[in-house]
This record gives sequence, C-alpha cells and structure tokens, in this order.
Amino acid sequence: SQTIHQWPATLVQPVGSPLSLECTVEGTSNPNLYWYRQAAGRGLQLLFYSVGIGQISSEVPQNLSASRPQDRQFILSSKKLLLSDSGFYLCAWSRAHEQFFGPGTRLTVL
Amino acid sequence: GESVGLHLPTLSVQEGDNSIINCAYSNSASDYFIWYKQESGKGPQFIIDIRSNMDKRQGQRVTVLLNKTVKHLSLQIAATQPGDSAVYFCAERHNYGQNFVFGPGTRLSVLP
Repeated sequence: SQTIHQWPATLVQPVGSPLSLECTVEGTSNPNLYWYRQAAGRGLQLLFYSVGIGQISSEVPQNLSASRPQDRQFILSSKKLLLSDSGFYLCAWSRAHEQFFGPGTRLTVL
Repeated sequence: GESVGLHLPTLSVQEGDNSIINCAYSNSASDYFIWYKQESGKGPQFIIDIRSNMDKRQGQRVTVLLNKTVKHLSLQIAATQPGDSAVYFCAERHNYGQNFVFGPGTRLSVLP
C-alpha cells in the first residue's frame, strides 16, 4: 500500500530564516506530487505541483520554491520566511484520478 | 478558482441524524469529484469519489450526489456520529488534468 510522509510535523521559525519541508511517498512510482497551504480555519491553496523529477509548476507567486530531486521526494523551500508564510502545509500525491494527503507540517513564523 | 481566504461555514447536527453537506463547483468540464474529511491538525482523508458520468455513489454510511445541471455536489452522512465531527472539503478535477480545485470546506459539528 502507498504511504506519504512529511516532516517535520511542527516547526517554529523566525522571520527571515530559511525553510525546508520534506515529503516522501512510498509504494508507488511516478506519482504527481503537490504542495498545499492551509491557513487556520480556511481552505486549501495549491502552491506547487510536479508531474515528474525536476518538473515543477507554480500556482501562486511567492517567496516559496519547490524541488523534486527524486521520483518520490518533494521539497518545499524558502530562503527567507515571512510572517504570512505561517500555516499548515500539506503534501499530496496522485496517480490517475485519486489524490491522497500527508499528515501535514504546522509552520509558525514569529 | 480556489476558495482561499473564505471562513468556513458550519453545520450542526444532532447525533443520530443525517447530515447533508453541499458544494457548488465551478467548471462544467470537471470530470471527477472527491469528498475529503479533515480532522483538526491532520491531513485531509479521502472519503468517497464520483465520476462525472454518475449521479450517485454510495459508501459505508455516506452517499455522494452529483447534479451536473446546476453544478452541485453533496455528501450525505447517515446516522451522524461524534467521530464525524470534522471539516469536509469537496474537490473537483478539471478535464482529466493534474490539478484538483478545492471548495472552501464545511465544518460539521455533531451535538450530543
């Protein structure tokens, strides 16, 4: 069966510091991968998606970036965090028509 | 487009009653729809899906109805239980693409 991991589970970072969130998927190959952000009590905002290694599409211009160095690894990064980057970050994978989410990373920028 | 920035509507139901959560979707070319349940502090969990060539699909205690004429999707939960309390999201996939567009979500509160 397929599983998706995210780490860290929670993170508190100062404004201006860098960020690296990691997502890995097990039990499938060549999945589509996604990064979403969810503000408290709100819906899901698609940030990036990837259909293959090195292929990244950005949905929202911002100070975040994504990379896919391996087939089942998706990384979300920032060089300098803003207060507005606080939120719940969700990684998801899909193949065919279903999409499944990871457990999320709660990021607080102070 | 995506419903970012909207505060969640809330539905309160009595334990044991049936719940109906509604979702309006935007794109008539959407071919696939999913309902997710998200508990506090966790990622969304797949509940049930439906293809655009279907009107109804049933799962365990849940039924999804699709009305393509008015672009409306609903999730019915039978005999609602306290464990059903969560935020429920609908998602649509546009025309066999890679991306899913999510609705704003509805918070379901089950009253004892």
